Parts: sequence; structure tokens; C-alpha cells
Amino acid sequence: EVHLVESGGGLVQPGGSLRLSCAASGFTFSSYDMHWVRQSTGKGLEWVSGIGTAGDPYYPGSVKGRFTISRENARNSFYLQMNSLRAGDTAVYYCARETGGAFDMWGQGTMVTVSS
Amino acid sequence: QSALTQPASVSGSPGQSITISCTGTSSDVGGYNYVSWYQQHPGKAPTLIIYDVSKRPSGVSNRLSGSKSGNTASLTISGLQAEDETDYYCTSFTTSNTYVFGTGTKVTVL
Repeated sequence: EVHLVESGGGLVQPGGSLRLSCAASGFTFSSYDMHWVRQSTGKGLEWVSGIGTAGDPYYPGSVKGRFTISRENARNSFYLQMNSLRAGDTAVYYCARETGGAFDMWGQGTMVTVSS
Repeated sequence: QSALTQPASVSGSPGQSITISCTGTSSDVGGYNYVSWYQQHPGKAPTLIIYDVSKRPSGVSNRLSGSKSGNTASLTISGLQAEDETDYYCTSFTTSNTYVFGTGTKVTVL
């Protein structure tokens, strides 16, 4: 069974850093692009970053320069390093698998709270 | 990249059909067939219900269908049921090699 499990969320002060992890199982991880999507409380979904099978990253302008996505195929895992965090980054962060331009599997989410 | 525009809410009576629109630009919805739709129940992760504009993943009800015309994609739910009452989001690949989500639509079954 395909499974994605996020970890690493928590409370961090403005300007601080946090590293999220997503552990994958049940499929050939190295063959898929993977993504992070976030959702602030009561708000819509926002694509945060993606990483190709070759490790090529891509980001929206809202996080470029602050967030770094990476993957470790040997561990069936990928990560999101978040620096210079702001209150606006407070959200549930989901990891997701992409198949042909669609996010076909999602984790359960991990909460990130940026507050002093 | 601005979010794709969806109506904030759509409602219908049981058995009726409703359509949710998702309007973007030629740089996203209009330029690619990588448009997908997601259903999200409160407190849960989204689930994929339509991909490549109009294809349904295995196990998704055939009451759900997708289409696209120009810069606007649409999700139609036929034979509306109480279980359809929740939130729906569209997303599209873009020319910037990024993805953009829609603003989200809350479906209410009257």
C-alpha cells in the first residue's frame, strides 16, 4: 500500500528554521516527482515546492530563496528545509506524490506554527 | 503566479447536477492539459478525483466529470448526494514549471 508520512512540524519563532521530512513506502520512490503543499487554517491549498526524479527543484516565488527541497532516494524520503520563517508560513504541510501532473497520493500533514 | 479562480460556494439539491469552474490564463489552464481536481473533507488530506482535465482515477464515482474550454476548466457533479458536500480544489501546471491551485469551492447539498 502506498504511504506518505510527514514529520518535523512544530512551533518555531519568526526568523527561525525547520526541516520537514516525508517518508514514502509502497512504491518505487526514485521514479516519481514529489511535492510539498500547504494549507493555512481555514484557507486554500498552496503549492510550496517540487522535486524531480533527478533532484531538480522548483519553487513558487513566495518561498524561493527561503525554502529548499531535497530528496534521498536511498532512504525513500524527501525534505523541506524552511528558513527565515514568517507568520504567514503557518500551515499544515502535506507531502504528495505526482503522477503525470496530478498529485495522486498525499500524506496526512504536519503542522507548522510560526509564532513568538 | 495568482491562484486560479473558483466560486467560493456552489449548492444544489440531491439528484441535481452542479458545475464548479476554475479560471486561469493561457499560462496555466489554457496552456496545458495538466488540470486536476481534488476533494477535501474537513481535517483530512485532499484526494485526487480528476486528472488530465477529464480522467477519473480508479475508484472515483462516474458522477464526477471534468472538462476544459480555453482558460477555464470545470468539474461537474451529477446526481448530487449528501456525501458530495465538502471542499473542492483545482490545480494546473504552469509555464513557469510550477503548479497553482484554485481558490477552492465549498459544495453544499440543500
